[in-house]
Amino acid sequence: EIVLTQSPGTLSLSPGERATLSCRASQSVSSSYLAWYQQKPGQAPRFLIYGASSRATGIPDRFSGSGSGTDFTLTISRLEPEDFAVYYCQQYGSSPQTFGQGTKVEIK
Amino acid sequence: EVQLVESGGGLVQPGGSLRLSCAASGFTFSSYWMSWVRQAPGKGLEWVANIKQDGSEKSYVDSVKGRFTISRDNAKNSLCLQMNSLRAEDTAVYYCARGGLGSTVTTRWGQGTLVTVSS
Repeated sequence: EIVLTQSPGTLSLSPGERATLSCRASQSVSSSYLAWYQQKPGQAPRFLIYGASSRATGIPDRFSGSGSGTDFTLTISRLEPEDFAVYYCQQYGSSPQTFGQGTKVEIK
Repeated sequence: EVQLVESGGGLVQPGGSLRLSCAASGFTFSSYWMSWVRQAPGKGLEWVANIKQDGSEKSYVDSVKGRFTISRDNAKNSLCLQMNSLRAEDTAVYYCARGGLGSTVTTRWGQGTLVTVSS
């Protein structure tokens, strides 16, 4: 099983700042099958990024993903008020699929 | 509009059984991988199981193997999760989730149904 470790656990930033979230895998993620999701309290997750760097339909271009192998990054270029949430990475290249433990982006 | 509506959650005693259902609409159900993902109260996401478009392939997380069974009915646009021998640690919101076209990545989520295992 591939273990995904996200850091930091919590990121305290102000609107307009840049957010950089890390996701590290215990072994190489096959074909960069790495996705990112956003979840707000009481809501289902929202699909953001697939294939490590491709934005899902309707996702603003301030969200970008990068990385390969075992190291991946989600960057939010300028935080909007609606971006404060928990973010999860997920690998879907091998079974069982696994999620990271999440990074909370909170308002400073 | 893509819709995934879960039902069947509730309170069950340890060792009991529960069957979750998911009604899908707004897309060609038979063209997509489908999954169940759960989230324990206050915790992160955990992938539970998925099933291929024609039901020929199924995968499970180790903690539910032998206890949970995923199935689908493409004629009825429905996904199910039969859960047996339930444990306290199975308490969670269970999300029905749709994959991508030709991909197992989860692209759409239902609103979830709460399963509570407690005496």
